[in-house]
Amino acid sequence: GQNIDQPTEMTATEGAIVQINCTYQTSGFNGLFWYQQHAGEAPTFLSYNVLDGLEEKGRFSSFLSRSKGYSYLLLKELQMKDSASYLCAVRDSNYQLIWGAGTKLIIKP
Amino acid sequence: TAGITQAPTSQILAAGRSMTLRCTQDMRHNAMYWYRQDLGLGLRLIHYSNTAGTTGKGEVPDGYSVSRANTDDFPLTLASAVPSQTSVYFCASSDGGGDTDTQYFGPGTRLTVL
Repeated sequence: GQNIDQPTEMTATEGAIVQINCTYQTSGFNGLFWYQQHAGEAPTFLSYNVLDGLEEKGRFSSFLSRSKGYSYLLLKELQMKDSASYLCAVRDSNYQLIWGAGTKLIIKP
Repeated sequence: TAGITQAPTSQILAAGRSMTLRCTQDMRHNAMYWYRQDLGLGLRLIHYSNTAGTTGKGEVPDGYSVSRANTDDFPLTLASAVPSQTSVYFCASSDGGGDTDTQYFGPGTRLTVL
């Protein structure tokens, strides 16, 4: 079966750095996505990785290792508005997105 | 730009009743999707459409039907609602081309079936 694993919940302090991990086992791989979802709102696109390595976008970076079936999202200089759920999704061989259950990130002052 | 709109925002429905959730996008995207999101689970694909006039089944299609008469609209119908269909429903769209093919989501419909 196909599986995406992420921690259920993480807590971090405002101004700090946090890393959210995602491991996956899917039938095929055609890219990995990270989305942010605030409570009661729609998911919004953060980043896309298809090749190994680090993609940096402002305070957010995403890393991919295809050989390890592993990705992480790195958030720097945390702000209170970063409190949200972060969803990892992998596009499989059928070009469908397989989603993790999401990691709820709680930011404390 | 509106992007993707969904209606209604929320609904309480009696079991056995039918309902259509509406989804409209103004981005001229080829592909559209319906997902359900339940607590503790990832988004699950119900149905999708790669282009107007075609539809396909996702991971959890039973009890749902869709149509794609034109590019902009992708309604989801529950023919006879059951309590297990209580969920938040998200419609999404993507260009359907290119490497990234990012999906963009509507605001969601919160459905409660009693």
